[in-house]
Amino acid sequence: SAVISQKPSRDICQRGTSLTIQCQVDSQVTMMFWYRQQPGQSLTLIATANQGSEATYESGFVIDKFPISRPNLTFSTLTVSNMSPEDSSIYLCSAGEGTGGDEQYFGPGTRLTVT
Amino acid sequence: AQSVSQHNHHVILSEAASLELGCNYSYGGTVNLFWYVQYPGQHLQLLLKYFSGDPLVKGIKGFEAEFIKSKFSFNLRKPSVQWSDTAEYFCAVREGYQAGTALIFGKGTTLSVSS
Repeated sequence: SAVISQKPSRDICQRGTSLTIQCQVDSQVTMMFWYRQQPGQSLTLIATANQGSEATYESGFVIDKFPISRPNLTFSTLTVSNMSPEDSSIYLCSAGEGTGGDEQYFGPGTRLTVT
Repeated sequence: AQSVSQHNHHVILSEAASLELGCNYSYGGTVNLFWYVQYPGQHLQLLLKYFSGDPLVKGIKGFEAEFIKSKFSFNLRKPSVQWSDTAEYFCAVREGYQAGTALIFGKGTTLSVSS
């Protein structure tokens, strides 16, 4: 199994600023995913990050707002740019091979509050 | 696009009662199926998974789930719940054998168990 850590665990940010969330996996993984969990809601996939290629974004999420880096097989970052209160959410990093027979592991999440 | 439906938004049970949480998905091809649990203040944990084979799968903490392909369902069951089972439960689906495919989550079911 993979163990995933995220930094920061929580933050309170002002409107208009940006926050970069780091995700570290304790083993090499092909696929990393970023999810958002808004208060009282389920997890919504933001994007899939493959090492060495551009992230693939889901409908409703754009690179300018949520730029992602994936410099190697154990690390990824998600930036929430030009934040507004609507971005207040828990952001989760996930990792796995993404193929049949594979589990997907989740980090503890980053709780973001935008004021 | 795939979708996952969880029928119960909030379930309230007394200790020792039996539990069944419904989950239906929309994808017609090969799927991997998961149930995750999120205890208060904690991150997502995998309860059980189905990839192939015996459609009745057993997970941790006495939970089990049955995959019924004809009904596109993967319902979670536990014969006798405990107060410590109070948590949010998420059903998730992934298209099988597709590299780079993330999990799609249902909206979640909140389980409250009174002692």
